[in-house]
Amino acid sequence: EVELLESGGGLVQRGGSLRLSCAASGFTFRNYAMSWVRQAPGKGLEWVSSISGPGDSTYYTDSVKGRFSISRDNSKNTLYVQMNRLRAEDSAVYYCATDPMTADAFDIWGQGTVVTVSS
Amino acid sequence: DIQMTQSPSSVSASVGDRVTITCRASQHISSWLAWYQQKPGKAPKLLIFAASNLHSGVPSRFSGSGSGTEFTLTIASLQPEDFATYYCQQANSFPYSFGQGTKLEIK
Repeated sequence: EVELLESGGGLVQRGGSLRLSCAASGFTFRNYAMSWVRQAPGKGLEWVSSISGPGDSTYYTDSVKGRFSISRDNSKNTLYVQMNRLRAEDSAVYYCATDPMTADAFDIWGQGTVVTVSS
Repeated sequence: DIQMTQSPSSVSASVGDRVTITCRASQHISSWLAWYQQKPGKAPKLLIFAASNLHSGVPSRFSGSGSGTEFTLTIASLQPEDFATYYCQQANSFPYSFGQGTKLEIK
């Protein structure tokens, strides 16, 4: 069964750091781009970042550029995002997502992990 | 950057109704458009990819159409489990972007 499992969320002070992880199983992880999508409380979905299968290309939404760093360990089937200089507006449920079945849409999502930045 | 605009933001409908949601892209995105359904407290689920392709396991009452800048999601005959929030998303180019969502409520 294809599965994504996020971890690492929690409560952090403004200006602090947090690293989220996403463990993948049930598909050939290294073959697929991976992404982070977030959802602030009561708000819509926001794409945050993506990384190519080999890990040599990364993309970010403007609001996190220079603060967040996406990476992956294909030997461990795990995706990461290092989040630094956190702001109140970064508080959200963070989902990892990928597209092993469709190649152009997020057909697999994790259950999400909650990040709360206190001010 | 490509902006995605959905309409309406919310809609009230009854079981058995036909509902259409529209998504407009600020630039041409060919058919690089997906539709998702999200229920409270749950991760989104993919319904439609490449504008008009039904994802595996999704009921056939869902359909998508359009290309370029204008797209629609149609639910042919609403079922009780369809009341949720729906999002479109463009995958034509980075930064990817979602529409603001359409909340489908029971009338």
